[in-house]
Amino acid sequence: DQQVKQNSPSLSVQEGRISILNCDYTNSMFDYFLWYKKYPAEGPTFLISISSIKDKNEDGRFTVFLNKSAKHLSLHIVPSQPGDSAVYFCAALSGGSNYKLTFGKGTLLTVNP
Amino acid sequence: SQTIHQWPATLVQPVGSPLSLECTVEGTSNPNLYWYRQAAGRGLQLLFYSVGIGQISSEVPQNLSASRPQDRQFILSSKKLLLSDSGFYLCAWSVQGGFETQYFGPGTRLLVL
Repeated sequence: DQQVKQNSPSLSVQEGRISILNCDYTNSMFDYFLWYKKYPAEGPTFLISISSIKDKNEDGRFTVFLNKSAKHLSLHIVPSQPGDSAVYFCAALSGGSNYKLTFGKGTLLTVNP
Repeated sequence: SQTIHQWPATLVQPVGSPLSLECTVEGTSNPNLYWYRQAAGRGLQLLFYSVGIGQISSEVPQNLSASRPQDRQFILSSKKLLLSDSGFYLCAWSVQGGFETQYFGPGTRLLVL
């Protein structure tokens, strides 16, 4: 049973436009969410996180939105750059465990020049 | 600043051979340590986590084991590798306590033939 779902395996965006990466979760105990970016043959790099007490967190070009009632979060990248091309993983932590990150399967973002 | 090292970067091993992957963290004390695996076409799966020396929790039953002989050293082992053990192995660390971001190492690509 997949508790964190990224239903789009890939996304292609034009440089300068907005990239929107989506993530859904099923476990209502999740209350801390993270986005990671991963290049091939490298470890994931932390991008941005959000606690369940917030509905938005912004860091430069990256903004994460959380809709708890819909159990949905999204990552917005504006403006998108070719260097943003990578696999993006959504991950979640539950209040009962501050150790176990549950990851989605990832979305491959391609930003075309 | 904190850094995390993994070695080797790439490993090709025959089925039935032993395995030892090492992870070390610098610049922090008493971190939580984690082993993940990313199999082809899949997300990141937590294998083991450790909150202290000699304390190992296993998330997935398998022929792998983990050990933490020192505060900032985490080792992933197997006595006999299976074909299904092929994948990308990632070590991660986080600060103890609370909801803390996990930071990943560069990973080890393991191919079992």
